Amino acid sequence: DAKTTQPPSMDCAEGRAANLPCNHSTISGNEYVYWYRQIHSQGPQYIIHGLKNNETNEMASLIITEDRKSSTLILPHATLRDTAVYYCIVRVVTGAGSYQLTFGKGTKLSVIP
Amino acid sequence: DAGVTQSPTHLIKTRGQQVTLRCSPKSGHDTVSWYQQALGQGPQFIFQYYEEEERQRGNFPDRFSGHQFPNYSSELNVNALLLGDSALYLCASSLDLADYYNEQFFGPGTRLTVL
Repeated sequence: DAKTTQPPSMDCAEGRAANLPCNHSTISGNEYVYWYRQIHSQGPQYIIHGLKNNETNEMASLIITEDRKSSTLILPHATLRDTAVYYCIVRVVTGAGSYQLTFGKGTKLSVIP
Repeated sequence: DAGVTQSPTHLIKTRGQQVTLRCSPKSGHDTVSWYQQALGQGPQFIFQYYEEEERQRGNFPDRFSGHQFPNYSSELNVNALLLGDSALYLCASSLDLADYYNEQFFGPGTRLTVL
């Protein structure tokens, strides 16, 4: 799977949008971009994923650049409960049920009151 | 609907001992993956079990072994514990689906401390 690069930490004011960038310049055509987050002392939680179109769900929006070399996770109205480590992962969806997730160090997002 | 559960929550062992960690997958899931997360690092894939067999394995020594039972629950065994095995051990469950929406759901983890 392609490697990703994320800033080690970011701050965001409560109520403002949090924009978390991810660089995946070596992504290949059959690799999807996934975002997970890990709140302190909990297991990682799936947020959203996409291939090349922008995606939105009840938690967040995912914006993928046209060349697919980078993406941004957007939390539209950050709350204190969004303080967590956010992981950007790219993985091949092969059509088989078997896959592993390759985590980097992620971005530690701190939402400030 | 219960999510992924793991036991115990915390565990303290000494070097050279053996440990067994347990995982019950989310209802309806048939695939279990195990990850090790050292302090300050992202989770690292250990192995995955499906149909009671190890299907994929990460870069971990043979001291790490596992088992999956007919009810899809799983155990992770670590022999000859080293100080470096101290970590949060995460279990993730999923469905064996050739599907774009096939997600892994993680449990809260077991914190292992080796003294």
